[in-house]
Amino acid sequence: ETGVTQSPTHLIKTRGQQVTLRCSSQSGHNTVSWYQQALGQGPQFIFQYYREEENGRGNFPPRFSGLQFPNYSSELNVNALELDDSALYLCASSPSGINEQFFGPGTRLTVL
Amino acid sequence: AQSVSQHNHHVILSEAASLELGCNYSYGGTVNLFWYVQYPGQHLQLLLKYFSGDPLVKGIKGFEAEFIKSKFSFNLRKPSVQWSDTAEYFCAVSNTGGFKTIFGAGTRLFVKA
Repeated sequence: ETGVTQSPTHLIKTRGQQVTLRCSSQSGHNTVSWYQQALGQGPQFIFQYYREEENGRGNFPPRFSGLQFPNYSSELNVNALELDDSALYLCASSPSGINEQFFGPGTRLTVL
Repeated sequence: AQSVSQHNHHVILSEAASLELGCNYSYGGTVNLFWYVQYPGQHLQLLLKYFSGDPLVKGIKGFEAEFIKSKFSFNLRKPSVQWSDTAEYFCAVSNTGGFKTIFGAGTRLFVKA
């Protein structure tokens, strides 16, 4: 059974650019959540997707957006990057109706 | 406001010492509670969880946690730590619908061999 995978591992962007991060959920999982983890902090909930629909959102501006595809993989898009967007972005998947998340290794985004 | 507070940011223990990491939460309604661990160079993984029933839950690697509803607490314990327990530990809470999970800031544990 393949776990949650994320790509790329590391990414460097400049302020104002746009970025897309990708996540493949664990087999059989139809729910995907995205988190931002700044240095020295715990993960902060960005949003969750369930069966291709946004199922809930944390306190992040609209320039953070997402997609979930029919195979339950997901993308996180961030527009107009700011320096404070530098963080580890985590994807977590879970099976339907089960409140237990399985995390990927994360994508380290650096905004210069 | 929903929040999770972890009392200790850094803990240093010698092997065989007992461990207790504090966690308090502020979250309306019925909650699900979790402890996650992140070992050096690895990704977050679930240590244990509480959904309902016995408030004393046991997880992997000899860890346990106790849910005390009246104190809004979910403290993590281990009777005797090992060097391999060196990691960062996160307490987390979600509603029973499960769509939004709030994490604490984490506690970095270093166990001296």
